[in-house]
Amino acid sequence: NADVMQNPRHLVRRRGQEARLRCSPMKGHSHVYWYRQLPEEGLKFMVYLQKENIIDESGMPKERFSAEFPKEGPSILRIQQVVRGDSAAYFCASSLRLDDGYTFGSGTRLTVV
Amino acid sequence: KNEVEQSPQNLTAQEGEFITINCSYSVGISALHWLQQHPGGGIVSLFMLSSGKKKHGRLIATINIQEKHSSLHITASHPRDSAVYICAVRMNNDMRFGAGTRLTVKP
Repeated sequence: NADVMQNPRHLVRRRGQEARLRCSPMKGHSHVYWYRQLPEEGLKFMVYLQKENIIDESGMPKERFSAEFPKEGPSILRIQQVVRGDSAAYFCASSLRLDDGYTFGSGTRLTVV
Repeated sequence: KNEVEQSPQNLTAQEGEFITINCSYSVGISALHWLQQHPGGGIVSLFMLSSGKKKHGRLIATINIQEKHSSLHITASHPRDSAVYICAVRMNNDMRFGAGTRLTVKP
């Protein structure tokens, strides 16, 4: 899905480093969602953002994880002081309106070594 | 018990066969999505349903709101349909996902 751009596609970090994952939604979409897929597990909701606002972060770990969607530029999922358990695929999706269908990005595969 | 249950977990079919994947959910939802995830991991949204039936090419999705059940059908299956098919339900801002059905279509 080239329309929702996630980068990088693959990211390797050492324990304790920071990981920054970027998501550029489809043109005109102001709703962004982040999901995590742990190895051999299903997708789990993390956070829902609209421009400059976090609407729902109930799925996000309370520590080390943060997300933003600034007025200009992509949405950023930031993981501080990464640990091995953060290794996963992180997917972003966007929609035009809350009740619309989603378009998913290709994901960022984070490996913590 | 998971809020979203899919069956079967794994499915192997011969090319040309008619495929059905089922999804049951236990919560109130505003919409149900069927997603496709290929090896290599990209996710494609196939359908979003809140009632009735939708068709796109060889894919058909149905939902019965009263029974809290949805099915995804693939007619004339092809090896390129091999993927993991994921049912997801929308509840307010949240999306809950099934564990997925791994489909392998053999030539």
